[in-house]
Amino acid sequence: DAGVIQSPRHEVTEMGQEVTLRCKPISGHNSLFWYRQTMMRGLELLIYFNNNVPIDDSGMPEDRFSAKMPNASFSTLKIQPSEPRDSAVYFCASSLGLGQGRAFFGQGTRLTVV
Amino acid sequence: KQEVTQIPAALSVPEGENLVLNCSFTDSAIYNLQWFRQDPGKGLTSLLLIQSSQREQTSGRLNASLDKSSGRSTLYIAASQPGDSATYLCAPYSGGYQKVTFGIGTKLQVIP
Repeated sequence: DAGVIQSPRHEVTEMGQEVTLRCKPISGHNSLFWYRQTMMRGLELLIYFNNNVPIDDSGMPEDRFSAKMPNASFSTLKIQPSEPRDSAVYFCASSLGLGQGRAFFGQGTRLTVV
Repeated sequence: KQEVTQIPAALSVPEGENLVLNCSFTDSAIYNLQWFRQDPGKGLTSLLLIQSSQREQTSGRLNASLDKSSGRSTLYIAASQPGDSATYLCAPYSGGYQKVTFGIGTKLQVIP
């Protein structure tokens, strides 16, 4: 398996634009997580899915953030409109179970909003 | 809410030394705990997963211990090498909250 695949690896966008981050989890994993990492706050859990259903989105900072998982092999995280303070590295991770099994992380998407 | 603290925040050691990284967490009702490694500009790699019923877990030169009742875990690295230089993060899974919470990490530098 190729592991968790995220795209794009880097994204530079202007303030106010819509940004869509993509994730393909490891085949067979039933849980998917979106994290944001910054120097100031470390790794923050934004939202997670189990069997394609959102379980907890309390970490999503604002209504500008939304996430979907239309099927077991694909998820998106959208920011609309984007702001400079959204600049961070966004990670997607997948696992068997919500936390019972090892979590496997993608390489991340480095987002810069100017 | 689970809070995770890792000490020290940064550590620099000469090659060959044995070292210990510490992790403490406030909610002892955890299901398991993972130790991750993160290289600069990369994602996280799971090194060890230790179940709440276990006291230790070993993988090569790495040994993780868990004292759930006191809310502590340690990662022991034997005979450190320059390739071990990375940030190490501890992440307990709280079954009640159904969440994995990460510490800020310990940045390790092993000097040749």
